[in-house]
Amino acid sequence: DAMVIQNPRYQVTQFGKPVTLSCSQTLNHNVMYWYQQKSSQAPKLLFHYYDKDFNNEADTPDNFQSRRPNTSFCFLDIRSPGLGDAAMYLCATSRGRGRETQYFGPGTRLLVL
Amino acid sequence: GNSVTQMEGPVTLSEEAFLTINCTYTATGYPSLFWYVQYPGEGLQLLLKATKADDKGSNKGFEATYRKETTSFHLEKGSVQVSDSAVYFCALSSGNTPLVFGKGTRLSVIA
Repeated sequence: DAMVIQNPRYQVTQFGKPVTLSCSQTLNHNVMYWYQQKSSQAPKLLFHYYDKDFNNEADTPDNFQSRRPNTSFCFLDIRSPGLGDAAMYLCATSRGRGRETQYFGPGTRLLVL
Repeated sequence: GNSVTQMEGPVTLSEEAFLTINCTYTATGYPSLFWYVQYPGEGLQLLLKATKADDKGSNKGFEATYRKETTSFHLEKGSVQVSDSAVYFCALSSGNTPLVFGKGTRLSVIA
């Protein structure tokens, strides 16, 4: 089945130690998104790629970066994780922007010690 | 700007009860409307969607109708099961703007 895959499902890192989360998709969608979701809240969009075009949300901290080396893969890099960055990180894809349906991966839960 | 307002939870129901989760929206243009469900520890799954006025989305016994006149997209199910316990998010997308989510409604169904 076509799907959105996130690895790992759980990630533990230390305060200030860089960490990378990965997302891959077999849907061949043009757009890939990264969301941060904290407990009992709605997902918060960090940034998205439309093909190779990177779009950062205005309030996304500089500590968060992303790479999309090809259509299938997208990475979220947290350069110096703080305790406040502990959250679920969700990757999503859509065929296009705007009114298109977004399909989500299972998420990676990040714990910062 | 675009926004979604959905009823605050938590909602607790007995098995086989009728469910309604209210959702209203504000949007420019003609949005698409979605309901996503999130089971504990998992990502969001698309439950149903509607792309134009009077469309009815349905899936797994859940339904929602796109009501332009009342700017609403209420989620309903005639008989809930314990397995429906989850958080439900109403969302919209319009133009080239990303998805806008409501705050989510936690549903607990007890046997």
